[in-house]
Amino acid sequence: AQSVSQHNHHVILSEAASLELGCNYSYGGTVNLFWYVQYPGQHLQLLLKYFSGDPLVKGIKGFEAEFIKSKFSFNLRKPSVQWSDTAEYFCAVKGNRDDKIIFGKGTRLHILP
Amino acid sequence: NAGVTQTPKFRVLKTGQSMTLLCAQDMNHEYMYWYRQDPGMGLRLIHYSVGEGTTAKGEVPDGYNVSRLKKQNFLLGLESAAPSQTSVYFCASSYSTGTRYNQPQHFGDGTRLSIL
Repeated sequence: AQSVSQHNHHVILSEAASLELGCNYSYGGTVNLFWYVQYPGQHLQLLLKYFSGDPLVKGIKGFEAEFIKSKFSFNLRKPSVQWSDTAEYFCAVKGNRDDKIIFGKGTRLHILP
Repeated sequence: NAGVTQTPKFRVLKTGQSMTLLCAQDMNHEYMYWYRQDPGMGLRLIHYSVGEGTTAKGEVPDGYNVSRLKKQNFLLGLESAAPSQTSVYFCASSYSTGTRYNQPQHFGDGTRLSIL
């Protein structure tokens, strides 16, 4: 069965620090991978997605993620975070021909000004 | 172009009452989904639909029913509300065909439901 594991439940950083949020998945086939962000009181928005090709994908707001197939990982990174990045981040996986997306439990990111 | 619209945004129910949450999308998406979001649990899929007239169970379907009579609408019903159903409910939609098969989901703003 598909599953997604996000290692950090709550991360606190100061502005300008570098960010890496871990995501590992379990699936026996070709996958599509996503990172979503949920700002306080808002709905989920897509940050970036990987379908195929270059394993390093760049998203909005300076975020990027690297798909490492051998490690079943899709970690999210940002070189220098801002206070406005305070939000909850969700990793998600979808089998290439599946109808459903499976979400991780989320990581709450709190950026100190 | 409103995207995905959920109504109502907030609701308080008493145990045993029934209600229906409405999700409407204007993007001509084939697939629609209902999730519930609870602290520390992420998003859990309740039911989903791959097209008009079809529905399927997700991860946590018990206590909920759904209907997709029109392509643009996906209704989530609670026949007899229970306190355990207190949650934030999100609807999402996506394409499913051709090169758009693996497009990401678009989410509504959520419905905050409290069951007393």
